[in-house]
Amino acid sequence: NAGVTQTPKFQVLKTGQSMTLQCAQDMNHNSMYWYRQDPGMGLRLIYYSASEGTTDKGEVPNGYNVSRLNKREFSLRLESAAPSQTSVYFCASRMGQQGARGYTFGSGTRLTVV
Amino acid sequence: AQTVTQSQPEMSVQEAETVTLSCTYDTSESDYYLFWYKQPPSRQMILVIRQEAYKQQNATENRFSVNFQKAAKSFSLKISDSQLGDAAMYFCAYSYTGNQFYFGTGTSLTVIP
Repeated sequence: NAGVTQTPKFQVLKTGQSMTLQCAQDMNHNSMYWYRQDPGMGLRLIYYSASEGTTDKGEVPNGYNVSRLNKREFSLRLESAAPSQTSVYFCASRMGQQGARGYTFGSGTRLTVV
Repeated sequence: AQTVTQSQPEMSVQEAETVTLSCTYDTSESDYYLFWYKQPPSRQMILVIRQEAYKQQNATENRFSVNFQKAAKSFSLKISDSQLGDAAMYFCAYSYTGNQFYFGTGTSLTVIP
């Protein structure tokens, strides 16, 4: 089973460039999430989509936009990349919003902005 | 605001020995959920164990068990019979009903052969 698939796995951008991180899940999950992971700071929520057609801001949304294209896909866009956005980005999904259910994570995208 | 604290940035354990990773959290809620995730060098985040706050019994999954102390807001992870494959970063996480998980800053576990 594929689970949660993220592309690309690695990316280097120049300051000011734009790019879209792709995420797709094949588990029929309703909720999808984008987190960033920085050294010494754990994972912080950027945006989430509780269900198809809805998106909401998380803890650190500035500089990002998202699209819930359909139930399977949730993309994260950087319109004008900045060095502060150098990070590892994780997409995650889960069936519903109930806190009891843990996430299923993708394998992450390591993004470097120079 | 909910916060999760892991006060041990690094830990080491001899192979076959037992190690305990600490986690404390802050919340005003009575019903919530706690998790331990493992992140090996491959970067993949893997759910190790979960605990529902309304359950008094500590969760166990094979060699992994937790010591959940609700009044003290403490949620430690015990790994028994440590194996080389247990070497990873471990994250404690908290979730109330809603959409956000709150993660600690992680503990890097080294297993010494």
